[in-house]
Amino acid sequence: DGGITQSPKYLFRKEGQNVTLSCEQNLNHDAMYWYRQDPGQGLRLIYYSQIVNDFQKGDIAEGYSVSREKKESFPLTVTSAQKNPTAFYLCASSIDVWADRARVNTEAFFGQGTRLTVV
Amino acid sequence: DAKTTQPPSMDCAEGRAANLPCNHSTISGNEYVYWYRQIHSQGPQYIIHGLKNNETNEMASLIITEDRKSSTLILPHATLRDTAVYYCIVRDISNFGNEKLTFGTGTRLTIIP
Repeated sequence: DGGITQSPKYLFRKEGQNVTLSCEQNLNHDAMYWYRQDPGQGLRLIYYSQIVNDFQKGDIAEGYSVSREKKESFPLTVTSAQKNPTAFYLCASSIDVWADRARVNTEAFFGQGTRLTVV
Repeated sequence: DAKTTQPPSMDCAEGRAANLPCNHSTISGNEYVYWYRQIHSQGPQYIIHGLKNNETNEMASLIITEDRKSSTLILPHATLRDTAVYYCIVRDISNFGNEKLTFGTGTRLTIIP
């Protein structure tokens, strides 16, 4: 089945360790995104990538890094520089829909999230 | 992307229509209105989107005012499974230089049995 997969669902790490969260999609989507969500809060954009080998910082990129070496994969590394890394992390990808030479939709599909706890 | 304003929470009785408002008074001509919802501890799910005409699909209806400064998402017969946080966002999808997809804090809808 086509979809976007995040792994693992739950992740525990010791403070000061870097950790990489996986995000894979087989939907042939160009754009991919990483969000962070804290309890009772909305989604905040960390990084996004419009195309392979290119990515841009979102609103809260400090302490995070990404790579986009393949279209299907957009891993997120939470570094020791991130002061408060415990959160729910969501990955998304999006596809463009065109009509009459204009883009009319770019629906985002989300993974089920990774809950990272740093102890 | 333009900012949206939504009430933080709403209740609706099961079986009734749930009407979720969203203000986007600074929306520009190229910006679409999108609605997503997030059920607890899951990824957000796309519901519907529109530019200026009202839209309907199997999940919901979207009513956009004529001046496009506000919209309402309607769930016609709410069920307990519709309890979720609903996000209204506006996005200029004609602008390829800015692919940011930004979410606010949304409306927490609780369906009451």
